[in-house]
Amino acid sequence: AQSVTQPDIHITVSEGASLELRCNYSYGATPYLFWYVQSPGQGLQLLLKYFSGDTLVQGIKGFEAEFKRSQSSFNLRKPSVHWSDAAEYFCAVGGWNTDKLIFGTGTRLQVFP
Amino acid sequence: SAVISQKPSRDICQRGTSLTIQCQVDSQVTMMFWYRQQPGQSLTLIATANQGSEATYESGFVIDKFPISRPNLTFSTLTVSNMSPEDSSIYLCSVKGEWGTGELFFGEGSRLTVL
Repeated sequence: AQSVTQPDIHITVSEGASLELRCNYSYGATPYLFWYVQSPGQGLQLLLKYFSGDTLVQGIKGFEAEFKRSQSSFNLRKPSVHWSDAAEYFCAVGGWNTDKLIFGTGTRLQVFP
Repeated sequence: SAVISQKPSRDICQRGTSLTIQCQVDSQVTMMFWYRQQPGQSLTLIATANQGSEATYESGFVIDKFPISRPNLTFSTLTVSNMSPEDSSIYLCSVKGEWGTGELFFGEGSRLTVL
């Protein structure tokens, strides 16, 4: 079955600290992988995507993610978190042969000054 | 990326009433997607709206409860019918990116609270 797991429901970090949000997926074909951010009261904004090529992808706002096929993972990282990064983060998976995305349950990031 | 506008941004509704959510895109798109995000939950696809044909509903969603219109290539509506408190959610309209790499772009959502 196709699915996305985000094991961490809630993460708290100090401003300036590094961040890694975990995402594991199950998908029968070559996956397209995405990270979205949702600030309070807002829709979803695409941070970055992987569909082929270099397994380390760079996104907006200083985020990056690494696709590891052997681990079925697509973890999101940022070297130094800013207070404005506090939000909900969603990992999603899709494929070349489908218009649908399957979303994880999200990780809520809290940033302390 | 496409600019997607939704109305209303939020509303408080009475049980048993219906509410129509509008979605306007600044470019022509073949498919539009309606998602539901229940409180504290992830996103679930309700249906895919194609211009000129009936919407395609996902398992667990039916046309009588969530009728959809798609009169042209830039506009769609989703109606939430005969609402109950369980329908309190954020409803999001989305479209595919133009690069064929599967990403979706979302409107800011319509937050419905049913009393």
